[in-house]
Amino acid sequence: DIQMTQTPTSLSGSVGATVTFTCRASESVGHNLNWYQQKPGKAPKVLIYGASRLQSGVPSRFSGRGSGAFFTLTISPLQFEDVATYYCQQTSSVPYTFGQGTDLEI
Amino acid sequence: QITLKESGPTLVKPTQTLTLTCTFSGFSLSTTGVGVGWIRQPPRKAPEWLTVIYWNDDKKHSPSLKTRLAITKDTSKNQVVFTMSQMDPVDTATYFCARHMFGPEYLDQWGQGIPVTVSS
Repeated sequence: DIQMTQTPTSLSGSVGATVTFTCRASESVGHNLNWYQQKPGKAPKVLIYGASRLQSGVPSRFSGRGSGAFFTLTISPLQFEDVATYYCQQTSSVPYTFGQGTDLEI
Repeated sequence: QITLKESGPTLVKPTQTLTLTCTFSGFSLSTTGVGVGWIRQPPRKAPEWLTVIYWNDDKKHSPSLKTRLAITKDTSKNQVVFTMSQMDPVDTATYFCARHMFGPEYLDQWGQGIPVTVSS
């Protein structure tokens, strides 16, 4: 299985700031990397797919970069409603593994 | 509007087989590039991808659970049925179904999830 490692495990920022999440794969996944936002009691919601493509309806303050085995998700500017847990997921090979998540606090 | 909803038992006994149904609307599972899969999430843990069935009836399973999983589709009813055999308390989790889209592959629409507890 491809292991996905997210750092840090938790992150804190102020409204209007810029925050960056990191996701590393144990082997190359090409551009097959997605980012999800999950709020308590809700299903995950896709923000970025294909490493850098913004899902329709997602605010442009979310952006993704990377390829191969190193990826980042940036939120700028940070908003109160962005408090959530953020997960990366690779869809290069089964099982389509998720990272362990990063909790974002404002 | 695209919706998916999971249904089935919320309590199963150890060794029993779990059967869940995903009923969806707003899209067709006969459309090229579309799949419906299952993901579970134990309390306070990350999601775990389990399985997917595609428009062409191709299926993929998590290798570590492959012998316990099955997935079928009924395109006319807009339903996908998921089974997991030999349930154990460690399988306690919220189970989600989600639409898989190609180009590249990602999970763009999710059901609300159904909590399943495995206990005698």
